[in-house]
Amino acid sequence: DAKTTQPNSMESNEEEPVHLPCNHSTISGTDYIHWYRQLPSQGPEYVIHGLTSNVNNRMASLAIAEDRKSSTLILHRATLRDAAVYYCILRGRYNFNKFYFGSGTKLNVKP
Amino acid sequence: AAGVIQSPRHLIKEKRETATLKCYPIPRHDTVYWYQQGPGQDPQFLISFYEKMQSDKGSIPDRFSAQQFSDYHSELNMSSLELGDSALYFCASSVIQEKQETQYFGPGTRLLVL
Repeated sequence: DAKTTQPNSMESNEEEPVHLPCNHSTISGTDYIHWYRQLPSQGPEYVIHGLTSNVNNRMASLAIAEDRKSSTLILHRATLRDAAVYYCILRGRYNFNKFYFGSGTKLNVKP
Repeated sequence: AAGVIQSPRHLIKEKRETATLKCYPIPRHDTVYWYQQGPGQDPQFLISFYEKMQSDKGSIPDRFSAQQFSDYHSELNMSSLELGDSALYFCASSVIQEKQETQYFGPGTRLLVL
């Protein structure tokens, strides 16, 4: 799976939107972009994934650049519960094997 | 909704002892993954099983072994425990949706080796 690059940490105010970037310049045409997050002392949890088009679900939105070399996870209104480490992971189509967790972005949400 | 169950949640062992961690996947999930997360580190893949057969292997020490049983639950056996084995051990089970796999993680087992 191709490599991703994320900022080590970001800070946000509660109830404000948060944009978490991820660079994946070596992404291949069949790689899906997945986002997981890990709340303190919990197991990672799935957030969202996409291929080319922007995606929305109840947790977040995923904006994918036209050249697919970067993507942004958008939390529309950050809450204190969103404080976590966010991981951007690339997965090839039909790649049903291990996840490589990179360093991720530690998001701090201020009240 | 049912989630991945791991037991025990906490475990304290002495050096050179053995430990067995158990994982019960979400019903109808046929794949199980094991990850190790040391203090302040990111999760590292250990091993995975699909339909009771080992499907992939990561940085798992030879002292560790694992298997998936007929009811799809999995056990991670750890022998000759070392201080460095102290970590959170996560199990995940997965389902394929729209040609992509989503992994669902359990709450983890916190192992402390003294």
